Amino acid sequence: DAKTTQPTSMDCAEGRAANLPCNHSTISGNEYVYWYRQIHSQGPQYIIHGLKNNETNEMASLIITEDRKSSTLILPHATLRDTAVYYCIVWAPLSYIPTFGRGTSLIVHP
Amino acid sequence: DTGVSQNPRHKITKRGQNVTFRCDPISEHNRLYWYRQTLGQGPEFLTYFQNEAQLEKSRLLSDRFSAERPKGSFSTLEIQRTEQGDSAMYLCASSLVSNGQFFGPGTRLTVL
Repeated sequence: DAKTTQPTSMDCAEGRAANLPCNHSTISGNEYVYWYRQIHSQGPQYIIHGLKNNETNEMASLIITEDRKSSTLILPHATLRDTAVYYCIVWAPLSYIPTFGRGTSLIVHP
Repeated sequence: DTGVSQNPRHKITKRGQNVTFRCDPISEHNRLYWYRQTLGQGPEFLTYFQNEAQLEKSRLLSDRFSAERPKGSFSTLEIQRTEQGDSAMYLCASSLVSNGQFFGPGTRLTVL
């Protein structure tokens, strides 16, 4: 079973920030939070990951709460091409097996 | 393109036939994963290699499924005596220890 809980769907207006939440209350100390997205009929695409500090890259920002029980992926200026299913997973690389849930279907509308 | 590649992208077969899929990982990545994904679900882990060693297999991987990674480079996933329930997208991903997985485009299998 997935160790994360995400809303089934969200929508966002083009140009606005999209904030996607994820709960991972049972996260272990050595587990990272990873975010992927999957555009219809393509393989998942890595977005960002973090352990306990906030992270930012060219695609998104990741905000992890101090207790590490939840996180938020922020797409600062959503575009129509950001419409996808977004997966949040927790994973310690040495444990080999990341478990994906159903993710959040984000629809960006004009 | 130096990403993960998978072949074929689509495969249609008749029930009972054998099929084989190939995955070419990013060249310096020592870990390779196989997943299966059905409509509306997230990817489900099937098996994992570190270099040429197959270190983990899911209970989803029945005896009809076999995976190899000779010489720790490309990998193949074979399904024998296919069933209609095998219809799915089969995804391959590769990684190093310290980063996330990079997925290929997948092979969509349809069993008639």
